[in-house]
This record gives sequence, structure tokens and C-alpha cells, in this order.
Amino acid sequence: QKEVEQNSGPLSVPEGAIASLNCTYSDRGSQSFFWYRQYSGKSPELIMSIYSNGDKEDGRFTAQLNKASQYVSLLIRDSQPSDSATYLCAVRRDNFNKFYFGSGTKLNVKP
Amino acid sequence: DTGVSQDPRHKITKRGQNVTFRCDPISEHNRLYWYRQTLGQGPEFLTYFQNEAQLEKSRLLSDRFSAERPKGSFSTLEIQRTEQGDSAMYLCASSSHEDQGSRSPLHFGNGTRLTVT
Repeated sequence: QKEVEQNSGPLSVPEGAIASLNCTYSDRGSQSFFWYRQYSGKSPELIMSIYSNGDKEDGRFTAQLNKASQYVSLLIRDSQPSDSATYLCAVRRDNFNKFYFGSGTKLNVKP
Repeated sequence: DTGVSQDPRHKITKRGQNVTFRCDPISEHNRLYWYRQTLGQGPEFLTYFQNEAQLEKSRLLSDRFSAERPKGSFSTLEIQRTEQGDSAMYLCASSSHEDQGSRSPLHFGNGTRLTVT
């Protein structure tokens, strides 16, 4: 079983719609969760972090965490073509300094 | 804050040759990580340093791979006797132990793309 699972997509949404990206993780001891955006041929860029159950909003982005279900999600409101990228979910267990990444979900936002 | 810097950006080498990559982390960050990423996959952990100490190395890493971080500043990753399967993007990232403690995220460099022919 992989540490972090993501649907590889592609997820296609029209411009202006809400894009919903999901991630599950296997270790209940995980405490820190991150979403990275990666454009083709580029390195990952941090867009959100979340540590507590519930929602965390930053501009058009909302991260949601449910530790009981071992589930993390990212919502992108008013999606733009520039949001088209691969979104990586990363999980870090406390007491461990490794970050585990999912394989990413490719998002296509159609004009 | 100049960000994480990696050099070179691209490297093409012939099978069997040795290659070395360099990473300069964000100056106040004491943790430095190396990851490898192949097409369609997420970054895969290779190794990490806290200051100059290499604290963990992936079991997937063969003995052809070695990393150093002398004086706790920049780091080098060397691959000896390269194989075609080593072709990948090698990502360096840094984080701060003091800043937000265990919540500190990874900040990535632009990566080094290795092609082994």
C-alpha cells in the first residue's frame, strides 16, 4: 500500500468551475499535509498546508482535512486555464522527517 | 531569500559515466533533501541531511549513489556508473527546523534533469 494515493486524472473542468482534488494517506500518525502545484517540466511549488481537521482557505484555494478518514482535499474555485498543472499531495509524519508524495493529479482547465 | 538553487539544470551523460549535482539550500534552512522524480510519478525520497549529518537514506538507493553536505551548507549528489534507469529529474529541497518546527514545508529548487544515453 502506498503512503499517499491520488487519482492520476486527468481531471477536466471548464473555466470558472470548482476543481476538487483528493488524496488519501495510509499512516494515522501523519500530522502535516501539503499541496504542491507542478507545471510540466518544472519543480513542485507549495500552494497550501494544513495541520488540523477542517477547512483552510487561501484565496481561491481551500484545503480540507479529515484525519479520521485519512483524507485530504484541495478545492480550487473559479478555476483558470493557468491552474492547469499536476497537483501533488504530500504528507509528513511527526517524528519522521520524510515527506511522502502522491503521484499527482493532472488538472486541465478548459477555456 | 534567493530560494533553493540547483546546478546544472540539465545533464546528458553516457551510460557508465559518473555525474555530480549541486544544491544550495535557502540560507537559513538546516534541513536538505534529495528527491528523484520520473515522468508521471511523484517525487521519491532519496536522502536528507540535518546540518552536515546525513540522517536517512532510502533503501531504494543503490551504493552507486552518494550524497554529502560538508559544513552543513551546499550539498552534492553523485551517481557513479550511471545506468539508463537513472534518467530522471533530481530535486533538491530544503526546510527549516526552527521555523514552525515539524510543520515546516519543503521548498524545492528547479531540479536537475539527467538523461543517460
